[in-house]
Amino acid sequence: KAGVTQTPRYLIKTRGQQVTLSCSPISGHRSVSWYQQTPGQGLQFLFEYFSETQRNKGNFPGRFSGRQFSNSRSEMNVSTLELGDSALYLCASSFDTYNEQFFGPGTRLTVL
Amino acid sequence: QKEVEQNSGPLSVPEGAIASLNCTYSDRGSQSFFWYRQYSGKSPELIMFIYSNGDKEDGRFTAQLNKASQYVSLLIRDSQPSDSATYLCAALPGDYGGSQGNLIFGKGTKLSVKP
Repeated sequence: KAGVTQTPRYLIKTRGQQVTLSCSPISGHRSVSWYQQTPGQGLQFLFEYFSETQRNKGNFPGRFSGRQFSNSRSEMNVSTLELGDSALYLCASSFDTYNEQFFGPGTRLTVL
Repeated sequence: QKEVEQNSGPLSVPEGAIASLNCTYSDRGSQSFFWYRQYSGKSPELIMFIYSNGDKEDGRFTAQLNKASQYVSLLIRDSQPSDSATYLCAALPGDYGGSQGNLIFGKGTKLSVKP
């Protein structure tokens, strides 16, 4: 069974730009969670989507948004990029909310 | 705010020794616990989960859970240099969801296995 895939793997943007990241979960998984990881901060929860609905949202500003499609693929968007948005963005899929999560390889975003 | 606490390390052990990684959690309603391994620059990889009190063994790894003490541990026997990574402990809270998400992660313990 194929794992979680994320595209692109690396991105370099400048302040003020926007970016869209994509995540394809494991086949049959309906829940996709997004995390931001920066050195020393650990995994910061962004949001979770299940069956095209956002079920949970972390404490991030409205510049961070996401969506999920009918095939469970998910995208997250960050508008008006700031230097502090430089991070590894991870998506994780699970069959349902209360199951173990499997992570994709991540997208490393650098904001200059 | 539910919390999962881990010693950040680094924990240094010689090759062939047993590495013991510990984790405590604040939510007494948490039912399931997960250990992830994260190599530098890579994403977390699930290595074990446990939901019953006691021990669960998988190869060189043993997860231990004590719900009364709200304590989870991971033992790595015959540690190898390839085990050098950051180990993340995660708990599935009793009332999952909300602004922390469905899994509450600790910040990880960095393990270094010296040849």
